[in-house]
Amino acid sequence: GEDVEQSLFLSVREGDSSVINCTYTDSSSTYLYWYKQEPGAGLQLLTYIFSNMDMKQDQRLTVLLNKKDKHLSLRIADTQTGDSAIYFCAETVHNKLIFGAGTRLAVHP
Amino acid sequence: DAEITQSPRHKITETGRQVTLACHQTWNHNNMFWYRQDLGHGLRLIHYSYGVQDTNKGEVSDGYSVSRSNTEDLPLTLESAASSQTSVYFCASSAAGPGELFFGEGSRLTVL
Repeated sequence: GEDVEQSLFLSVREGDSSVINCTYTDSSSTYLYWYKQEPGAGLQLLTYIFSNMDMKQDQRLTVLLNKKDKHLSLRIADTQTGDSAIYFCAETVHNKLIFGAGTRLAVHP
Repeated sequence: DAEITQSPRHKITETGRQVTLACHQTWNHNNMFWYRQDLGHGLRLIHYSYGVQDTNKGEVSDGYSVSRSNTEDLPLTLESAASSQTSVYFCASSAAGPGELFFGEGSRLTVL
């Protein structure tokens, strides 16, 4: 089936790095995405990576892609309380976007 | 500024009633999508449209329908609401392809 898998919960201390992991299913996905959902809001595109890349960095965000293992990760450096949210990874399957269940990131002092 | 809006934001209805959730975008995007979000399931695709008069079923389309009579709107109709359709519904749109989606703020539907 079409299952994108993520761990459901991650707790980190403010200032530490957060790493959110995801495994996807379709090796032909051209782009892989990370979306962020803040409480009571819709999802917002955070970053994405093209499938021919293995790393993308954007300020505090680093995306790593391991195509062989179909593994995607999102690293947030210097995690802040404002980073508390649900993070979804998503892949494109048959021209549709398939989301994982989301990882709830809790940042504590 | 261009935006995507959903209404109502909250609705409580009874089993068997017909319910329509509205979605309106001013991005002039061709592609529009409806998802439902449930704990432990993430977002699941209900229906989608790639342009006027085009509609397609997603992975959880049973009990739902959509119509696309113009670029801006994709209303989602629950023909006969069931308790299993209690959920938060998100509408989204994109200019090109399904990946870079712009989401509405969601409609929370409770079916009693």
